[in-house]
Amino acid sequence: NAGVTQTPKFQVLKTGQSMTLQCAQDMNHNSMYWYRQDPGMGLRLIYYSASEGTTDKGEVPNGYNVSRLNKREFSLRLESAAPSQTSVYFCASRLADEETQYFGPGTRLLVL
Amino acid sequence: GQQLNQSPQSMFIQEGEDVSMNCTSSSIFNTWLWYKQEPGEGPVLLIALYKAGELTSNGRLTAQFGITRKDSFLNISASIPSDVGIYFCAQNSGGSNYKLTFGKGTLLTVNP
Repeated sequence: NAGVTQTPKFQVLKTGQSMTLQCAQDMNHNSMYWYRQDPGMGLRLIYYSASEGTTDKGEVPNGYNVSRLNKREFSLRLESAAPSQTSVYFCASRLADEETQYFGPGTRLLVL
Repeated sequence: GQQLNQSPQSMFIQEGEDVSMNCTSSSIFNTWLWYKQEPGEGPVLLIALYKAGELTSNGRLTAQFGITRKDSFLNISASIPSDVGIYFCAQNSGGSNYKLTFGKGTLLTVNP
């Protein structure tokens, strides 16, 4: 099992460009999450998907959209990137009724 | 939203020393989670606590759920270089959706 995989690992964007961060899990987990991590801020929840076909906002959703494409995949889209979205983005997944979230290795995004 | 206050922000210790860090909240919770993030990786769950007063160990790591249910402590005994990383406390702030709120982390550096 690969666990949670994220692509790309690194990305540099110019202000105003768009991009989609991809996340996939092969653990048959029901719930998936997107977090961002900024220096000294811990991780903050952007969006989550409790189950296939549902998505909900987290703590910091502005500037982002998500798609739960199927049970395996949960993508995060930046329609018009801003320097404030420079961050490390983590995807996580969780099996129903279990506490543990499993995190991917992260995508490091720089917006110039 | 709720905030978790984690301290210290950073620690620089010698190999073999014991480490103690803590997390406090103004709200009462039913669980406390402790994660470790190694450089360039996503967070990994170390210990989960479910009852006030509970003391749980995982190897050289010991965590306690405070009696007031508003705080938790993580201790690492006889530190080794591979203990380096950021340690986060976290709370489930989303009920059955298990949305996590993270503290800002304690950066641990171990000098061999």
